[in-house]
Amino acid sequence: QKEVEQNSGPLSVPEGAIASLNCTYSDRGSQSFFWYRQYSGKSPELIMSIYSNGDKEDGRFTAQLNKASQYVSLLIRDSQPSDSATYLCAVGGNNRLAFGKGNQVVVIP
Amino acid sequence: GAGVSQSPSNKVTEKGKDVELRCDPISGHTALYWYRQSLGQGLEFLIYFQGNSAPDKSGLPSDRFSAERTGGSVSTLTIQRTQQEDSAVYLCASSPQGRTDTQYFGPGTRLTVL
Repeated sequence: QKEVEQNSGPLSVPEGAIASLNCTYSDRGSQSFFWYRQYSGKSPELIMSIYSNGDKEDGRFTAQLNKASQYVSLLIRDSQPSDSATYLCAVGGNNRLAFGKGNQVVVIP
Repeated sequence: GAGVSQSPSNKVTEKGKDVELRCDPISGHTALYWYRQSLGQGLEFLIYFQGNSAPDKSGLPSDRFSAERTGGSVSTLTIQRTQQEDSAVYLCASSPQGRTDTQYFGPGTRLTVL
């Protein structure tokens, strides 16, 4: 059973700052990792996928993966009020995604 | 193109009744998944369909839950004799051939069992 942990509580960041979210996973053999954004009352939306160690940048988002430490993170640069949402970390494998419970991000104008 | 669609968007039922939830995947997607999201919990995998293969039912929480997929497209999740703990948002996702990790979610069905 894969476990995906997102332990941080709600994160409040001022507009324009960097939001940093962390996620750890239990299955050392995992190969695919995802970040989903979920607005209140809406379904999860895929925003980043990463498969190799290192950084992957897409616009204001950067995903970082460290398989040795079983750790994946998401950085949101120049945070905007529209980034206020819950961010879900997911780990793929065995034809399913295992999700963390999510981190709520609130961007303060 | 059209995304994953689900119906109904909301369902309120009484304890002990049966409910059916429907999912229409993205056209051409061969894989279909059902997840459940309870208040304050992460998404929980329920079942996976791939083409005409036997489904992976390992995530279904009890034998009151069942699902089928007709013609490799539309899927129905059935919950028999609903209980209050079944109250949750039921999310369907689909993915293209060979890309089972890249899943696109529908809007979900919010089920409330009174």
